[in-house]
Amino acid sequence: QITLKESGPTLVKPTQTLTLTCTFSGFSLSTSGVGVGWIRQPPGKALEWLALIYWDDDKRYSPSLKSRLTISKDTSKNQVVLTMTNMDPVDTGTYYCAHRDTAAGNYWYFDLWGRGILVTVSS
Amino acid sequence: DIQMTQSPSSLSASVGDRVIITCRASQSISNFLNWFQQKPGKAPKLLIYAASTLQSGVPSRFSGSGSGTDFTLTISSLQPEDFATYYCQQSYGTPYTFGQGAKLEIK
Repeated sequence: QITLKESGPTLVKPTQTLTLTCTFSGFSLSTSGVGVGWIRQPPGKALEWLALIYWDDDKRYSPSLKSRLTISKDTSKNQVVLTMTNMDPVDTGTYYCAHRDTAAGNYWYFDLWGRGILVTVSS
Repeated sequence: DIQMTQSPSSLSASVGDRVIITCRASQSISNFLNWFQQKPGKAPKLLIYAASTLQSGVPSRFSGSGSGTDFTLTISSLQPEDFATYYCQQSYGTPYTFGQGAKLEIK
């Protein structure tokens, strides 16, 4: 059974750096094709994809946030870490991590998600 | 960036109704299109991937179709637990953009 859980601070001040950890179980991030992504959702708004890390340590970032984001993995601890620098009140929202799975034909999808962590940016 | 536009943004329907939600991509994405259902305070749930493949465990009243730029999610007979917000997402190229959502409410 695959589970993911986000952890980190729920309140950060403007200009601070946010560090979130996704701790997962039920799969290995060294298995070919597997990945873990981060997605966020401002209150009452739509989902926004942030970053994705693959089993081979390849990484993808949202271009609009790339300068502020770093994603990394610790396979031995079954963790993925996302850091976002220079936090602003507009970054307030729920941050989710999700398991990336694949299907024949190069299709992929986020099939299982953590419960999310609400991060508020305020002084 | 590939823009994903859903319509309608909100709709009201009754139990037993057939509902269709559309998603349009700003450029062709073949059938690299996923659909999610999200209930208040919960994480999104994958319903359909590759435009028309039903995720394991998802009821067969949900179906997806389309290719290129135009896609639809159909719920054949609404059940009380289907009232939620639905999102499409393209998995064709970065950034992997989501639509703005379609909120399905009880009439």
